Amino acid sequence: KNQVEQSPQSLIILEGKNCTLQCNYTVSPFSNLRWYKQDTGRGPVSLTIMTFSENTKSNGRYTATLDADTKQSSLHITASQLSDSASYICVVSVSSYDKVIFGPGTSLSVIP
Amino acid sequence: DGGITQSPKYLFRKEGQNVTLSCEQNLNHDAMYWYRQDPGQGLRLIYYSQIVNDFQKGDIAEGYSVSREKKESFPLTVTSAQKNPTAFYLCASNNPQGAWGNQPQHFGDGTRLSIL
Repeated sequence: KNQVEQSPQSLIILEGKNCTLQCNYTVSPFSNLRWYKQDTGRGPVSLTIMTFSENTKSNGRYTATLDADTKQSSLHITASQLSDSASYICVVSVSSYDKVIFGPGTSLSVIP
Repeated sequence: DGGITQSPKYLFRKEGQNVTLSCEQNLNHDAMYWYRQDPGQGLRLIYYSQIVNDFQKGDIAEGYSVSREKKESFPLTVTSAQKNPTAFYLCASNNPQGAWGNQPQHFGDGTRLSIL
């Protein structure tokens, strides 16, 4: 069964600290993996995308990694800011039948 | 600025009532999507349309209907047959021929539907 799991479900960190969010998937065959940021009451916004051959992609203070062998991805946030408080969603695309599977998200709260 | 506009932001439905959620885009995207978001779950696809006057059911189409009479517009009707309509509804769009493939590229800011 094609699934995307994310951990932790929620996370609270102090402003200025780093954090890492995890995404595990059982999707096959894999096409690409994206991370989205969703602010409360808003639509998701794409942060990064990685294909099978890529293992790292950065977007400012956000760095995503991908291990296609273990089917794991992580999103590392450096020097967190209050504006990083949001839900982070991992999305995996299945190449064989054009399907996109969304993870449940990790809710991040950055506190002063 | 190009984008997707969803309205209303909040909507309340009475028992036995149909309600329609609006989605308009000025990105000139061919494909449009409707998703439902529930707490603790990933987004689930309700309907999608890759071209005007054509649309396909997603994973949870029962109790919903759509139309695509114009490229810019993709309204979603939540019918009385949908017994658990309380959720956050997101509209999205992309150009399937581009690098995004079948993944939604731009999202609107959603409509929160509740039952009275």
